[in-house]
Amino acid sequence: EADIYQTPRYLVIGTGKKITLECSQTMGHDKMYWYQQDPGMELHLIHYSYGVNSTEKGDLSSESTVSRIRTEHFPLTLESARPSHTSQYLCASTEYNEQFFGPGTRLTVL
Amino acid sequence: GESVGLHLPTLSVQEGDNSIINCAYSNSASDYFIWYKQESGKGPQFIIDIRSNMDKRQGQRVTVLLNKTVKHLSLQIAATQPGDSAVYFCAEMNNFNKFYFGSGTKLNVKP
Repeated sequence: EADIYQTPRYLVIGTGKKITLECSQTMGHDKMYWYQQDPGMELHLIHYSYGVNSTEKGDLSSESTVSRIRTEHFPLTLESARPSHTSQYLCASTEYNEQFFGPGTRLTVL
Repeated sequence: GESVGLHLPTLSVQEGDNSIINCAYSNSASDYFIWYKQESGKGPQFIIDIRSNMDKRQGQRVTVLLNKTVKHLSLQIAATQPGDSAVYFCAEMNNFNKFYFGSGTKLNVKP
């Protein structure tokens, strides 16, 4: 079982709030990813990182930002949450070609 | 970007039968394909992978088949069990280590 953690697991907030979704992995993986997933739908890549101080936007436009100051930590921030941000957010890290996923954060913006 | 799609959104099978989940991909340059299983409330879990220089790969009760001619990928699960009930995703990886996922097939195993 992969050691990748996400907090919080569930979050309900009001419109306009700033939030940070946490993701940590203890495997020392360089590559990390954030995906957005609506129920039963495919995963859409919103951010990825190849290592410390490396961040790239994914193919799905997102108003979120990420940082990678430490190898094990890859937080995602929404400066001003909106109802359209309601979704599940999955973090993953990769060793060689195998991706390990965290349990996800289910975000609801009222 | 790449497009990965699944043929059937829902598949119901009887316990003990074999299951076949299909997937189509669009980028012929992709050289690595993966199947994931996602249970309710959890992140996707790696099941099996295959490289483009292979046609078939077997794991424990699972087999992945790759047909590059028609850009088709399938996952076969032998002797399907109730614990196999989940949503299954195929994904392809490009040479920038970016993964593209299909929309998922929900597998229901009837006892």
